[in-house]
Amino acid sequence: KAGVTQTPRYLIKTRGQQVTLSCSPISGHRSVSWYQQTPGQGLQFLFEYFSETQRNKGNFPGRFSGRQFSNSRSEMNVSTLELGDSALYLCASSLSQGPYEQYFGPGTRLTVT
Amino acid sequence: AQSVSQHNHHVILSEAASLELGCNYSYGGTVNLFWYVQYPGQHLQLLLKYFSGDPLVKGIKGFEAEFIKSKFSFNLRKPSVQWSDTAEYFCAVNAHNYGQNFVFGPGTRLSVLP
Repeated sequence: KAGVTQTPRYLIKTRGQQVTLSCSPISGHRSVSWYQQTPGQGLQFLFEYFSETQRNKGNFPGRFSGRQFSNSRSEMNVSTLELGDSALYLCASSLSQGPYEQYFGPGTRLTVT
Repeated sequence: AQSVSQHNHHVILSEAASLELGCNYSYGGTVNLFWYVQYPGQHLQLLLKYFSGDPLVKGIKGFEAEFIKSKFSFNLRKPSVQWSDTAEYFCAVNAHNYGQNFVFGPGTRLSVLP
């Protein structure tokens, strides 16, 4: 069974631009969560989608948004990029809402210059 | 709000030494507990999990963890580490009424010297 895939793996953007990251969960998994990983703040929860609905949201500004499609694939969008948005963005999928372990993808490394 | 603390930022051990990594969480309700590992250049992988039942859980690669509810702790142990255990270890907590919002600890970097 294929794991969680994320595209692109690396991205360089300029301040003020917007970016869209994509995540394909493990086949059969319906819950997709997004996390931001930085050296200073560690792993922080962004949001979770289940059956195309956002079920949980972390403490991030409205510039961070996401969506989930009917095939459970998910996208995350960041508008008006700031230097502080440079991070590894991780996607995780699980069978349902809980209690189930999450399986993580390799991440998208976003660098904002 | 939930929070997770890990006792050590960086642990250095020699091969064959025993390992214990501390993890404490703050949440009064029912929780699911996890340890994840991130090997250099690789993505996060699940080591073990606790949902309910026996508080001593065994995971992959000889790791185990003990849930002590009264201490809000979920410490990770391995009797004899190997060089290949060099990695970053993250404790995570998921409260039953928080969906799939995992709260991660800051991580403990383990360096095993050959």
